[in-house]
Amino acid sequence: NAGVMQNPRHLVRRRGQEARLRCSPMKGHSHVYWYRQLPEEGLKFMVYLQKENIIDESGMPKERFSAEFPKEGPSILRIQQVVRGDSAAYFCASSLGITGETGELFFGEGSRLTVL
Amino acid sequence: QKEVEQNSGPLSVPEGAIASLNCTYSDRVSQSFFWYRQYSGKSPELIMSIYSNGDKEDGRFTAQLNKASQYVSLLIRDSQPSDSATYLCAVTQLGDFNKFYFGSGTKLNVKP
Repeated sequence: NAGVMQNPRHLVRRRGQEARLRCSPMKGHSHVYWYRQLPEEGLKFMVYLQKENIIDESGMPKERFSAEFPKEGPSILRIQQVVRGDSAAYFCASSLGITGETGELFFGEGSRLTVL
Repeated sequence: QKEVEQNSGPLSVPEGAIASLNCTYSDRVSQSFFWYRQYSGKSPELIMSIYSNGDKEDGRFTAQLNKASQYVSLLIRDSQPSDSATYLCAVTQLGDFNKFYFGSGTKLNVKP
């Protein structure tokens, strides 16, 4: 299976807990992106990472959210002290190179976070 | 004002008809334009990209771009029930190719 793998697919947290979402890009891809999708809304860019580097985090909320893509292992999106407004589907995507030139963004199946 | 706007639908067409999906964008430096299809509960998948004014055809799909009017459209000929999905329009901007701006999507229902 060479697709983008995300886990968990569904995550339930109570307010104040932490959520960790993991993403393994397609084999050979070194560019990872996180997008958030609220119900009835489009995908909103959060962060773009390459191995060990955050390239663009302009879409990340200033507090409680962080992302990493270590040299070894999956990319992780971490949400601390979750609130109900964090309930959404979080999609990870990967690309081989710079996406805008080809649109070759490959998405995972998403992680659906529900905050009680 | 949203960067990318789409009519949320649903757009209902009978099987075999042409489905026309539209998208407008607000930023004149938008450079690249994409259509993604998303089935309910699934991940978006790229179906078309277009970079210059005019039409681009791929099988039953035709993307149309008009930069002067700032709109991009997707035509689906001979619509099939399997085309029923949400279609997301996305744009990238000059110098910022890694950030996609997505519309909220148009839901298409193709009735058998």
